[in-house]
Amino acid sequence: LAKTTQPISMDSYEGQEVNITCSHNNIATNDYITWYQQFPSQGPRFIIQGYKTKVTNEVASLFIPADRKSSTLSLPRVSLSDTAVYYCLVGLISGGSYIPTFGRGTSLIVHP
Amino acid sequence: DVKVTQSSRYLVKRTGEKVFLECVQDMDHENMFWYRQDPGLGLRLIYFSYDVKMKEKGDIPEGYSVSREKKERFSLILESASTNQTSMYLCASSSRGGFDEQYFGPGTRLTVT
Repeated sequence: LAKTTQPISMDSYEGQEVNITCSHNNIATNDYITWYQQFPSQGPRFIIQGYKTKVTNEVASLFIPADRKSSTLSLPRVSLSDTAVYYCLVGLISGGSYIPTFGRGTSLIVHP
Repeated sequence: DVKVTQSSRYLVKRTGEKVFLECVQDMDHENMFWYRQDPGLGLRLIYFSYDVKMKEKGDIPEGYSVSREKKERFSLILESASTNQTSMYLCASSSRGGFDEQYFGPGTRLTVT
């Protein structure tokens, strides 16, 4: 079964930029790449979504290369409240079926 | 705001019991999903549904079944609970298949003893 791959954990300091990369070699042609944020005892919540090139919103940027086999979530100037687990979601083709597939998540810890 | 509710936040069941986890969404979404979340494994898709009475297997359907009789409700069923099904179960809904933003419920922490 095709998988997505992300770093298990990352550490940063307040005010720094954080980049988290997800690899997804078998992404479905028509699928978007979506990133979610999860705090303890809560369900994940949407951060940003894109198909190709670069997308930016008020909280993050998403960079997607032309081959779409990876994507990078960029969090500018992180604060302590950005400490959370970040997941990428893509649609992968497995056995002829489309299956929305999350990565295993990257635990980001922001230090003072 | 979209609201996805799950019937219980915490549930304790015994091995062999039949367990029902209920999920309801209030945004008329076509698509609903059941995931389980375990430490170090992230979210793994159990089943999903793109329409009423329709279901598709995800990555780990073994030991589970689902029911979607109404658009707003998606039930996860453990026919005979086992200890390896102790986990956090998350329900989500979206207006389009996988492409669109998924809205998650708060989760049900199931313990099977």
